Amino acid sequence: GAGVSQSPSNKVTEKGKDVELRCDPISGHTALYWYRQSLGQGLEFLIYFQGNSAPDKSGLPSDRFSAERTGGSVSTLTIQRTQQEDSAVYLCASSLTGTLRKAEAFFGQGTRLTVV
Amino acid sequence: DQQVKQNSPSLSVQEGRISILNCDYTNSMFDYFLWYKKYPAEGPTFLISISSIKDKNEDGRFTVFLNKSAKHLSLHIVPSQPGDSAVYFCASWGTDKLIFGTGTRLQVFP
Repeated sequence: GAGVSQSPSNKVTEKGKDVELRCDPISGHTALYWYRQSLGQGLEFLIYFQGNSAPDKSGLPSDRFSAERTGGSVSTLTIQRTQQEDSAVYLCASSLTGTLRKAEAFFGQGTRLTVV
Repeated sequence: DQQVKQNSPSLSVQEGRISILNCDYTNSMFDYFLWYKKYPAEGPTFLISISSIKDKNEDGRFTVFLNKSAKHLSLHIVPSQPGDSAVYFCASWGTDKLIFGTGTRLQVFP
């Protein structure tokens, strides 16, 4: 597609439920990133994919968080047993090859997750 | 540890004047820096970047300056316009990811 697409744009879920967030990166971009922005905070790195593998998962806050990427394209971020502190805007970004080309990363519009 | 720091959470500037947003970094290995702009309910959009081999990069009303010895960069917007009102994030490429500052909210008033 023309840009990075994320769905849903908004998600309200009850505490304890599982949620899946989807990211469709720009076609041809091999690097994909997940970040989140909590209220009043900066952009917190979660996980990085190069192709289908995730060489850096260091930002995932707990084992309730997981992500996968298939076909070198679409990625899903799954949060199990959601907690209220998981409420944030989850942002996905993609870039051509990650740091090697020192290119900019392009962001989707984000998924606003609210856990009630 | 905050490797990229934006110490001013907000800045208010009159339309037509210069806006200067500052950013400091701690890792001397960082060699490529980017500025992003973010409007409410939208994802960040890329604004301008600079490589460490340069000390200045200009694109229209936007200029980024890099002072490697001070590990400091700044974004100048001149003249500022009301549409520039947004949150501005400074970022650097780390080993495999973009590392962001906490952002500066710029408000340009008439």
